[in-house]
Amino acid sequence: KAGVTQTPRYLIKTRGQQVTLSCSPISGHRSVSWYQQTPGQGLQFLFEYFSETQRNKGNFPGRFSGRQFSNSRSEMNVSTLELGDSALYLCASSLGQGPDSPLHFGNGTRLTVT
Amino acid sequence: AQSVAQPEDQVNVAEGNPLTVKCTYSVSGNPYLFWYVQYPNRGLQFLLKYITGDNLVKGSYGFEAEFNKSQTSFHLKKPSALVSDSALYFCAVRPLYSGAGSYQLTFGKGTKLSVIP
Repeated sequence: KAGVTQTPRYLIKTRGQQVTLSCSPISGHRSVSWYQQTPGQGLQFLFEYFSETQRNKGNFPGRFSGRQFSNSRSEMNVSTLELGDSALYLCASSLGQGPDSPLHFGNGTRLTVT
Repeated sequence: AQSVAQPEDQVNVAEGNPLTVKCTYSVSGNPYLFWYVQYPNRGLQFLLKYITGDNLVKGSYGFEAEFNKSQTSFHLKKPSALVSDSALYFCAVRPLYSGAGSYQLTFGKGTKLSVIP
């Protein structure tokens, strides 16, 4: 079974631009979560979707948004990029809808903002 | 709000020796606890979880973890370390209740494990 696929693997953008990251979950998984990983802040929760509904959102500004499609694929968008948005963005999917279901992570998209 | 502390930024252990990576947590009510491992330029891989029941949980690659409710700890252990175990290890917690907060996994800062040949 294919794992979680994130595209692209690497992105370089300029301040002020916007970016869209894509995530395809493991087949059959309906929950998708997004995390931001930086050396200083570690892993921080962005948002979680289940069946196209956002169930929870982390403490990030409104420039960070996401959505989930009917096939469970998800996208994350960051508008008006800032230097501090440079990070590894990780997508994870899970089979169950409950909190006991482990997350399965993709290899991430490394975003560099210059 | 839940939180996780991994008190050691780095742990060094000789190959063949037992290893322990420490984790303590804070959460309202009972927790779901997880350990993940991250290799360079890769995402996180699930190792094991504690939901309920036996305090000693066995996971992938020979790892196990011991849940201690009174000390609010969930230390990761392995009887004999391998060089290939060298990686970044993350402890994570989710609250037991259902609701918006339960869908958020809160991670510790990570512990870099180096196994020396």
